[in-house]
Amino acid sequence: DQQVKQNSPSLSVQEGRISILNCDYTNSMFDYFLWYKKYPAEGPTFLISISSIKDKNEDGRFTVFLNKSAKHLSLHIVPSQPGDSAVYFCAASGKNTGFQKLVFGTGTRLLVSP
Amino acid sequence: GAVVSQHPSRVICKSGTSVKIECRSLDFQATTMFWYRQFPKQSLMLMATSNEGSKATYEQGVEKDKFLINHASLTLSTLTVTSAHPEDSSFYICSARREGYDTGELFFGEGSRLTVL
Repeated sequence: DQQVKQNSPSLSVQEGRISILNCDYTNSMFDYFLWYKKYPAEGPTFLISISSIKDKNEDGRFTVFLNKSAKHLSLHIVPSQPGDSAVYFCAASGKNTGFQKLVFGTGTRLLVSP
Repeated sequence: GAVVSQHPSRVICKSGTSVKIECRSLDFQATTMFWYRQFPKQSLMLMATSNEGSKATYEQGVEKDKFLINHASLTLSTLTVTSAHPEDSSFYICSARREGYDTGELFFGEGSRLTVL
């Protein structure tokens, strides 16, 4: 049972445009969400996070939005750059999974073309 | 920033042999490390939580006798895949949390790709 879902396996965007990556979760006990970026043959690197007490968190070109009622979060990248091309994983943790354990989505491969 | 390093990055072995993968936190101490496994086009699946000085905690469905975890120091955890078989071929990734950093943020190693012939 996939508790964290990224239904779009891939996304293609032109440089300078906005990239929107989506993530849905089923476990209502999740209260902390993170986005990780992964290049081929490398481990994931932390990008941005959001606590369930917030509905938006912004860091430079990256903004994460959380809609708790819909159990949905999204990552906005604007403007998109070719260097943003990577696989993006959504992850969640919460009281019943243990705060230290992250449950990952299947990832979305973003391709930003010049 | 914090760095977590894994070795080897790639390993090819014959069926029936054992393979050891090391995970080191290079510039911080990690009392807890995590081992994940990733199959192609699938998410990272947590295998076990490695605790310094005590036994690892395995997730449901993960064979502890198959995947031996040792966390002998505050900077090193090892995963040994014993009597490896082709179905064990996968990408194994470790992670660690640095004290004082955000609750959920983990620092990941580069990953180790295991191919069992």
